[in-house]
Amino acid sequence: DAGVTQSPTHLIKTRGQHVTLRCSPISGHKSVSWYQQVLGQGPQFIFQYYEKEERGRGNFPDRFSARQFPNYSSELNVNALLLGDSALYLCASSDMNRGTEAFFGQGTRLTVV
Amino acid sequence: RKEVEQDPGPFNVPEGATVAFNCTYSNSASQSFFWYRQDCRKEPKLLMSVYSSGNEDGRFTAQLNRASQYISLLIRDSKLSDSATYLCVVKRTGGYNKLIFGAGTRLAVHP
Repeated sequence: DAGVTQSPTHLIKTRGQHVTLRCSPISGHKSVSWYQQVLGQGPQFIFQYYEKEERGRGNFPDRFSARQFPNYSSELNVNALLLGDSALYLCASSDMNRGTEAFFGQGTRLTVV
Repeated sequence: RKEVEQDPGPFNVPEGATVAFNCTYSNSASQSFFWYRQDCRKEPKLLMSVYSSGNEDGRFTAQLNRASQYISLLIRDSKLSDSATYLCVVKRTGGYNKLIFGAGTRLAVHP
């Protein structure tokens, strides 16, 4: 079975641009969460989606948005990129009904120049 | 103050050593507790869940003290392959699941 897949794996963008990151959860998992990990820090919660609805949001500006599709895949969008948005963006999927652990994708490494 | 605090290390230990990591959390509403392992430039992977009764998985032992809001991880007989960053994680539920990570403790095991 495929694990959590994210695309792209690496990305370089210029300040002011926008970016879309994609995530496909493990088959059967209906919950997707997004995390941002800057160098030297632990991942920080951005969003959780379950059954295509936003269930939770972390302390991030409105430049960050996300959505979940009928097949439970998800997109994270970031507008008006800042240098400080450079980070590893991690997607995690889980089966909330079973309360299982969160499984992380390999992440998208975003560099803003 | 961060919600989950860890000693950042690095801990440099020889093979075969026993090493202990500590973590404190500030929100008493935290409901589940975990240790994740993260290799350089890779995603975090669950190492083990942590329970008040303590739990052991091979060379790894985790302990939770809810009264002190303190979590520990003990690694016995360290291997070179244990070199990684260990992330202390708490989960709060209530409408949605949110994992709150510490900044991680770096372990380097040398021959």
